[in-house]
Amino acid sequence: AQRVTQPEKLLSVFKGAPVELKCNYSYSGSPELFWYVQYSRQRLQLLLRHISRESIKGFTADLNKGETSFHLKKPFAQEEDSAMYYCALSGRLQGAQKLVFGQGTRLTINP
Amino acid sequence: DADVTQTPRNRITKTGKRIMLECSQTKGHDRMYWYRQDPGLGLRLIYYSFDVKDINKGEISDGYSVSRQAQAKFSLSLESAIPNQTALYFCATSAPGLAGHEQFFGPGTRLTVL
Repeated sequence: AQRVTQPEKLLSVFKGAPVELKCNYSYSGSPELFWYVQYSRQRLQLLLRHISRESIKGFTADLNKGETSFHLKKPFAQEEDSAMYYCALSGRLQGAQKLVFGQGTRLTINP
Repeated sequence: DADVTQTPRNRITKTGKRIMLECSQTKGHDRMYWYRQDPGLGLRLIYYSFDVKDINKGEISDGYSVSRQAQAKFSLSLESAIPNQTALYFCATSAPGLAGHEQFFGPGTRLTVL
């Protein structure tokens, strides 16, 4: 079954500390993985995607096919990083390309 | 700027009432989606449409129906609302291409069913 798991519902770190939001997936084909972010009172927006291999707002995420993981990392957290983060997998499910979301992790950066 | 808009942004209704949530987009995308967001459950797909004549059920379609009136408009209806349909509802669009299958989301509609 296609599934995205974010094991932490809540994550709290201090400003300046490293951050890692975990994401594991299960998918039989070649997945396309994304991280979406939802800041307070804002819409869900794309943060980064694995095919771009980019760093956005200091965040990076590496697809590890061996461990079926796509963890989101930032070396030094900032208060403005506080938000809800969703890992998502785009794959061919029941004949159509769809996004499957994880349960989300609420990240709080403490001053 | 090309955008995805949703109306209403907030709605309180009573059990048994019929409710319609509307989504419009100026992105020119063919694909449109409706999700609901619940704490601890993430976003779950209700219905999706890949063009005007294409409507498909998602993982939680029971109690919902949709209408794709035009390429730019995709409405979600709750024929007889019940309290466990209280949630935040998002519309999204996509146009798969070289950049992959990114979806663009509307601002959400907060629905409360009393």
